Amino acid sequence: DIQMTQSPSSLSASVGDTVTITCRASQDISDYLAWFQQKPGKAPESLIYAASSLQSGVPSKFSGSRSGTDFTLTISSLQPEDFATYYCQQYNSYPLTFGGGTKVEIK
Amino acid sequence: VQLQESGPGLVKPSETLSLTCSVSGGSISNYYWSWIRQPPGKGLEWIGGVSYSGIINYNPSLESRVTMSVDTSKNQISLKLTSVTPADTAVYYCARHRLVTSWSHFEYWGQGTLVTASS
Repeated sequence: DIQMTQSPSSLSASVGDTVTITCRASQDISDYLAWFQQKPGKAPESLIYAASSLQSGVPSKFSGSRSGTDFTLTISSLQPEDFATYYCQQYNSYPLTFGGGTKVEIK
Repeated sequence: VQLQESGPGLVKPSETLSLTCSVSGGSISNYYWSWIRQPPGKGLEWIGGVSYSGIINYNPSLESRVTMSVDTSKNQISLKLTSVTPADTAVYYCARHRLVTSWSHFEYWGQGTLVTASS
């Protein structure tokens, strides 16, 4: 199985900050990487796919990038509605696997 | 497109969990569909997926207990998980992939349904 290691597991930030979340794959997954946002009691929602493509309807404050097997989600100008848990997920090989999640909390 | 999971919220240990995902606002044809679960307070686990044409892939960790199928006439995807234990207690989600293959991300998700395995 491909292991997806997310860091940090949690972070505190203020409204207006820019935050970066990292996801490292245990082997090459090319660009087959997605990012999801999950709020308490809700289903995850797609933000980014193919490492850097923005899901339709998602604001451009969310961006993704790749460097080898390291992937980054950047959220600029944090707003109250952005405080949530974020997951990465690889869809390069079976079984499809997720990172452990990063909880973004208000400082 | 909207996805709605349905099924019993309580299943006794050793029995079979059965869920249905009903799709509205679009056809299940030409897409790949997955089931994902999330134990309370924990992360996400892919259970398996099925294409509209019946191509199926399961997570090896659950493969011996899982059966998925698709009913194009009803626009539904089903999940059966046998011999449940309390460790199977989770919110179960169905999701539609962006493409007809599993090599695409989960573009749309259902709201999820909590299934508790307890006597």
